[in-house]
Amino acid sequence: EAQVTQNPRYLITVTGKKLTVTCSQNMNHEYMSWYRQDPGLGLRQIYYSMNVEVTDKGDVPEGYKVSRKEKRNFPLILESPSPNQTSLYFCASSFRLATSNTGELFFGEGSRLTVL
Amino acid sequence: KQEVTQIPAALSVPEGENLVLNCSFTDSAIYNLQWFRQDPGKGLTSLLLIQSSQREQTSGRLNASLDKSSGRSTLYIAASQPGDSATYLCAAYDPYAGGTSYGKLTFGQGTILTVHP
Repeated sequence: EAQVTQNPRYLITVTGKKLTVTCSQNMNHEYMSWYRQDPGLGLRQIYYSMNVEVTDKGDVPEGYKVSRKEKRNFPLILESPSPNQTSLYFCASSFRLATSNTGELFFGEGSRLTVL
Repeated sequence: KQEVTQIPAALSVPEGENLVLNCSFTDSAIYNLQWFRQDPGKGLTSLLLIQSSQREQTSGRLNASLDKSSGRSTLYIAASQPGDSATYLCAAYDPYAGGTSYGKLTFGQGTILTVHP
């Protein structure tokens, strides 16, 4: 089954304790992205990757890191989480066609993070 | 800067009604527009993707239209059912925005739809 898998789905942590949210897709997609969703602010892009070893900042990259060592995986790293990073996080992926079209975007189920 | 607005923010209808959700965008230079559904606590599921060269797309009881010149897209849901209750989001893709070779996908805030029996 084609899917984007995120882990963990729920996490409560404390300020300053490094954490990683994993994202894996099985559709051989080139493009992967991380979003956060907050009430009243909608979906905001954190980082994205157009292919292996190619990553770039989205709209709200501060406090986050990413890496893309393999095509299927795109982990999101919070080196020193703070309470303002409490949010619902989504990973997404799609094919990147020759015309730079996003194509259909597939989302993971989301990871709800609470930083105390 | 592209801005995507969805009206209404929330909509409650009785089962069986036909309804229209609206999505407007400020920059008409979009490459495609996508409609998503989001159930509470879940991820987004793609419903329909309309390329800029297309006027509409249909899937079952759903029909999405795109009018680039007026900066509008509509999602029409026929014979609504309680199972249609969810948040519906639209997203406009501009390949030349964002200052990168990828472009930018801009989401609306969503319309919360409730269909009651």
